[in-house]
Amino acid sequence: DIQMTQSPSSLSASVGDRVTITCQASQDIINSLNWYHQKPGKAPKLLIYDASNLETGVPSRFSGSGSGTDFTFTISSLQPEDIAIYYCQQYDSLPYTFGQGTKLVIK
Amino acid sequence: EVQLVESGGGLVPPGGSLRLSCAASGFTFSTYWMHWVRQAPGKGLVWVSRIYTDGSRTNHADSVRGRFTISRDNAKNTLYLQMNSLRADDTAVYYCARGRNCSGASCIYRDAFDIWGQGTVVTVSS
Repeated sequence: DIQMTQSPSSLSASVGDRVTITCQASQDIINSLNWYHQKPGKAPKLLIYDASNLETGVPSRFSGSGSGTDFTFTISSLQPEDIAIYYCQQYDSLPYTFGQGTKLVIK
Repeated sequence: EVQLVESGGGLVPPGGSLRLSCAASGFTFSTYWMHWVRQAPGKGLVWVSRIYTDGSRTNHADSVRGRFTISRDNAKNTLYLQMNSLRADDTAVYYCARGRNCSGASCIYRDAFDIWGQGTVVTVSS
């Protein structure tokens, strides 16, 4: 199985800050990587697909980059409604696997 | 409105069975791969099963293979997960999710879970 390692596990930031989360795959997954966030008690929501493509309707402050084994997710200016747990997920090979999650809180 | 609505969760004793359903609406169900993803209490997301558009091919995580079966009824726009020989570590919220879009033998590259249901809770306990 492909292991997805996210860092940090938790992150405290202020409104307006630039926030970056990294995700490392245990083997080359090209750009077969998606990013989601999950708010408390809710289902996950797709934010970024194929490493760098913004899902329709998602605010442009969210972005993704990377290829191969190293990927980055960025929020350019943190908003209060961005408080959530963020997950990366690979679909290069079965089983699909998720990172362990990054919990983002407001400082 | 594009929507997935799960049902069928509940409390079941170890060794018991349960069938989850996921009703789809607002999109052409038969042209999408569909998935089940679960989340144990306080834990992360874990992919469980996948089914192709016509049900001809299915895949399951090692942890559920031989116990769980994914299926679909495209005439009823409904996805299912038959869960047998349930164990305590199957306790989780189970989500259905829409996956890759395929038309005939041609699929787009993108393979993301772009629509999720609200989840249904499965508790395995005596």
